[in-house]
Amino acid sequence: AQSVTQLDSQVPVFEEAPVELRCNYSSSVSVYLFWYVQYPNQGLQLLLKYLSGSTLVKGINGFEAEFNKSQTSFHLRKPSVHISDTAEYFCAVSNQGAQKLVFGQGTRLTINP
Amino acid sequence: EAGVAQSPRYKIIEKRQSVAFWCNPISGHATLYWYQQILGQGPKLLIQFQNNGVVDDSQLPKDRFSAERLKGVDSTLKIQPAKLEDSAVYLCASSPQRGAGVEQFFGPGTRLTVL
Repeated sequence: AQSVTQLDSQVPVFEEAPVELRCNYSSSVSVYLFWYVQYPNQGLQLLLKYLSGSTLVKGINGFEAEFNKSQTSFHLRKPSVHISDTAEYFCAVSNQGAQKLVFGQGTRLTINP
Repeated sequence: EAGVAQSPRYKIIEKRQSVAFWCNPISGHATLYWYQQILGQGPKLLIQFQNNGVVDDSQLPKDRFSAERLKGVDSTLKIQPAKLEDSAVYLCASSPQRGAGVEQFFGPGTRLTVL
């Protein structure tokens, strides 16, 4: 079985500052990794995913994430955040043989002007 | 392209009452999922359909929860009777095909409060 731990429940940052949201996973098999964003009163939207290939994955809205197999991590980064990035961010994992997603607890990103 | 539709958006009921949620996936999407998202937690998969067949319902509390997807299009999730711990947001998602790594598209959710 897989599990996901998002190390920070809340991350406050100032506008235009860089941000990193941390995600670690546990699995006995090879996995696919995802980051989803949930804006207030909306459903989840895919930011980016890692399936194979380059360990640095670029997504929408200027976000990127790096897959580190040895550290079982998939941290999300953005070099300069905007007020509009205020949202809840979820890291998720699935094993390569199944479609089922296992989500972390979420990280609430708050941008201060 | 229209997104995943869910109704109602909000529902308040008393414990031991029944409730039903409806989901209409993106047109042509064969796979449909229901998730439960309790406050402060990530979504947890309740049930996955492929067309009108169940692929995974291992985490569905079958003594009180049921779901169906007649004709392989829209779906209904029912809780009968509801408990206080069922208070959560119920998310419906769909994907165009079956397979690991495929993007899931989420609806806005139904927020259920059980009093």
